[in-house]
Amino acid sequence: EPEVTQTPSHQVTQMGQEVILRCVPISNHLYFYWYRQILGQKVEFLVSFYNNEISEKSEIFDDQFSVERPDGSNFTLKIRSTKLEDSAMYFCASSDRGADEQFFGPGTRLTVL
Amino acid sequence: DAKTTQPTSMDCAEGRAANLPCNHSTISGNEYVYWYRQIHSQGPQYIIHGLKNNETNEMASLIITEDRKSSTLILPHATLRDTAVYYCIVRDPSGGSYIPTFGRGTSLIVHP
Repeated sequence: EPEVTQTPSHQVTQMGQEVILRCVPISNHLYFYWYRQILGQKVEFLVSFYNNEISEKSEIFDDQFSVERPDGSNFTLKIRSTKLEDSAMYFCASSDRGADEQFFGPGTRLTVL
Repeated sequence: DAKTTQPTSMDCAEGRAANLPCNHSTISGNEYVYWYRQIHSQGPQYIIHGLKNNETNEMASLIITEDRKSSTLILPHATLRDTAVYYCIVRDPSGGSYIPTFGRGTSLIVHP
């Protein structure tokens, strides 16, 4: 069964450093998403991406964040200058039609020291 | 999610049906009811969705009341692996936003 994959599973970084989180969505899906979940908190939407551009973003997704689909398979989330409060699980998701169910990856745990 | 109300926690015996309720009294005509779950330390997993008719798939059944103000997710034969947080989400897929808003959900514990 096809699945969304994410790398790395755990990333530790120093405050102020740039990090790139990687995702490989399901191959025939066209819609891609990033969410985050701070420990013990709700799953929060960050951004959605379709047709090589951002279609929606939340207030969390500020200028420190960017997304890219550098090739036909990868979808990345970059945080330019990490803050302590960026520590969270980051989930990538994809769907083949925008309104349909989203398939989530296993997540990347980001720890900012 | 302010649009839905779910119990904070529930428990169920293994092999029995787990019935998870959700109130969505302000649901509008175009809004669907979606259910996701999140097993500990994993990403959310889609379960099922519906508009007004009852729905069933290999994972669960969704029963929506006639007035659509509430629904119940049924796991017919719960297993220990069904222990998770279950999220009931209401959204209009035609409204231009495809984003599910996750609330606190119901923490279901399936015990032996």
